[in-house]
Amino acid sequence: DAMVIQNPRYQVTQFGKPVTLSCSQTLNHNVMYWYQQKSSQAPKLLFHYYDKDFNNEADTPDNFQSRRPNTSFCFLDIRSPGLGDAAMYLCATSRLTTGNQPQHFGDGTRLSIL
Amino acid sequence: DAKTTQPNSMESNEEEPVHLPCNHSTISGTDYIHWYRQLPSQGPEYVIHGLTSNVNNRMASLAIAEDRKSSTLILHRATLRDAAVYYCIPSYQGGSEKLVFGKGTKLTVNP
Repeated sequence: DAMVIQNPRYQVTQFGKPVTLSCSQTLNHNVMYWYQQKSSQAPKLLFHYYDKDFNNEADTPDNFQSRRPNTSFCFLDIRSPGLGDAAMYLCATSRLTTGNQPQHFGDGTRLSIL
Repeated sequence: DAKTTQPNSMESNEEEPVHLPCNHSTISGTDYIHWYRQLPSQGPEYVIHGLTSNVNNRMASLAIAEDRKSSTLILHRATLRDAAVYYCIPSYQGGSEKLVFGKGTKLTVNP
């Protein structure tokens, strides 16, 4: 089945140690999104790529970066994780930017900071 | 941004219909209304979306008020697997097309 795959499902890193989360998709969608979901909260959009065009949300901290080397893969880099960055990170895709297009989500990577 | 209001929680019995309401009184004429749900320990899952007309798919039905200021997601026969947080989201937010998740409705389904 075509899908959005996030690896790993669980990631533990140390305070201040860079970490990279990965997302791949077999849907051949143009748009890939990264969301952050903290405990008992709703998902919050960090940024998205429309093809190779990067679109950052105004309130996304500079500590968060992203790369999209090709259509299928997208990475989330956290340069210096703090305790407040512990969360579930969700990747999603859509054929076009959302309007009449549903988003397809992966099952997330749960990040813990020691 | 179009703001939404949903009940914090609702409860249903298995095999019974469930009507999940959403108020979106500030929605604009071009906003689609999307519904997603999130099961425990999973990513959100698309349920249904619509613009003006009522919509049906294999998962649910979406009833949209004539003035578009509210909508109702209808699960025709709730199962235990439908226990999740349900999010109602207008599609056009902050000058671009994106999903802004509110707090949603936590649905509990009793056996």
